[in-house]
Amino acid sequence: DQQVKQNSPSLSVQEGRISILNCDYTNSMFDYFLWYKKYPAEGPTFLISISSIKDKNEDGRFTVFLNKSAKHLSLHIVPSQPGDSAVYFCAASARSSTLGRLYFGRGTQLTVWP
Amino acid sequence: DSGVTQTPKHLITATGQRVTLRCSPRSGDLSVYWYQQSLDQGLQFLIQYYNGEERAKGNILERFSAQQFPDLHSELNLSSLELGDSALYFCASSVGWGTEAFFGQGTRLTVV
Repeated sequence: DQQVKQNSPSLSVQEGRISILNCDYTNSMFDYFLWYKKYPAEGPTFLISISSIKDKNEDGRFTVFLNKSAKHLSLHIVPSQPGDSAVYFCAASARSSTLGRLYFGRGTQLTVWP
Repeated sequence: DSGVTQTPKHLITATGQRVTLRCSPRSGDLSVYWYQQSLDQGLQFLIQYYNGEERAKGNILERFSAQQFPDLHSELNLSSLELGDSALYFCASSVGWGTEAFFGQGTRLTVV
């Protein structure tokens, strides 16, 4: 039962352009959302998060947008750089519940080409 | 460096054997999570501990068990190993639950 879904397994973008990675979730109890970046043979690295009381959070080149009514979030990377090439995981949690573990999507492989 | 330490980094063992993976969380973190990543698969949640107690369980096989010790380090025990258990095993830690978790570099287990 995949409660967090990343329907695009891969995305290819030219350097300097915008990368948009998408994520959908099904559980309306989720109130915290995160993005992680993962290079091969390394552990995932936390990138950016957003609480359900916000609809946007920005950190440098990375912006996360949350649309609660559509149960959809997206990560924008502007401008994209070759070093951004990695697998990006979307995650969600229900902090208000007693469990509150992170639920991960299957990931999107981003390739940024020169 | 996330501050989460996993040992060993690599492990090669035979089918039927038993191994123990170790995780030291970041200083101050009370939650420890274990995830499995098989080839080309996503992160499969195994189990979560908070301050020594089991908090959540995922699709963890009965052959697998874990615990969190009073000093907050955690161990994942895998027994009666099968070829299909070959994977990357990640440990992560967070201050509470449901917030940012920080991952270790993983243990690559190869069962031959």
